[in-house]
Amino acid sequence: LAKTTQPISMDSYEGQEVNITCSHNNIATNDYITWYQQFPSQGPRFIIQGYKTKVTNEVASLFIPADRKSSTLSLPRVSLSDTAVYYCLVGDMGYQKVTFGTGTKLQVIP
Amino acid sequence: DAMVIQNPRYQVTQFGKPVTLSCSQTLNHNVMYWYQQKSSQAPKLLFHYYDKDFNNEADTPDNFQSRRPNTSFCFLDIRSPGLGDAAMYLCATSRDGVSSYEQYFGPGTRLTVT
Repeated sequence: LAKTTQPISMDSYEGQEVNITCSHNNIATNDYITWYQQFPSQGPRFIIQGYKTKVTNEVASLFIPADRKSSTLSLPRVSLSDTAVYYCLVGDMGYQKVTFGTGTKLQVIP
Repeated sequence: DAMVIQNPRYQVTQFGKPVTLSCSQTLNHNVMYWYQQKSSQAPKLLFHYYDKDFNNEADTPDNFQSRRPNTSFCFLDIRSPGLGDAAMYLCATSRDGVSSYEQYFGPGTRLTVT
């Protein structure tokens, strides 16, 4: 499984766009990139998944450059309720196991 | 609503006293997972079931066992809990073969060992 590297923590003011970058230099051809969000004392929650270029849903956008060695999760206009830990995972579509990286603790400030 | 349910949410056990945590799902997913998450750490996969096939992670201690009697239920047994086993235990499910890989997590059971 490809190893991922993320910043340990980030701070942002309410209403700003937040970009969290994940490095995955040894990503394999069949690997997809998935992001999860976890609030304290809750299980992680799926946010978004992509393979290349850009993916957007109602919650976030995921930007993946052509070499796929990194990816950026973009959260538009964050609110206090977006304060959480965000995990980047890499693996192929058929994998039944995942390795969570260290995650990025996002603190949204009023 | 379809969901992943874990009982109990909080469990206290004594050092060395066997404990069982339970997980049930109404999603009819064929894959079920157990994770251990210690304070301020990422979830760590212990094992998973692909249908009835059990897959143990190489570094999961023998003290941890699991049972899946049917599609809906999965149990985590800790045979002799130590103080280091105090953690949040997360159950998750996924459906293999779909176009979008996604795991659905339960709320977790927080285990305290005294």
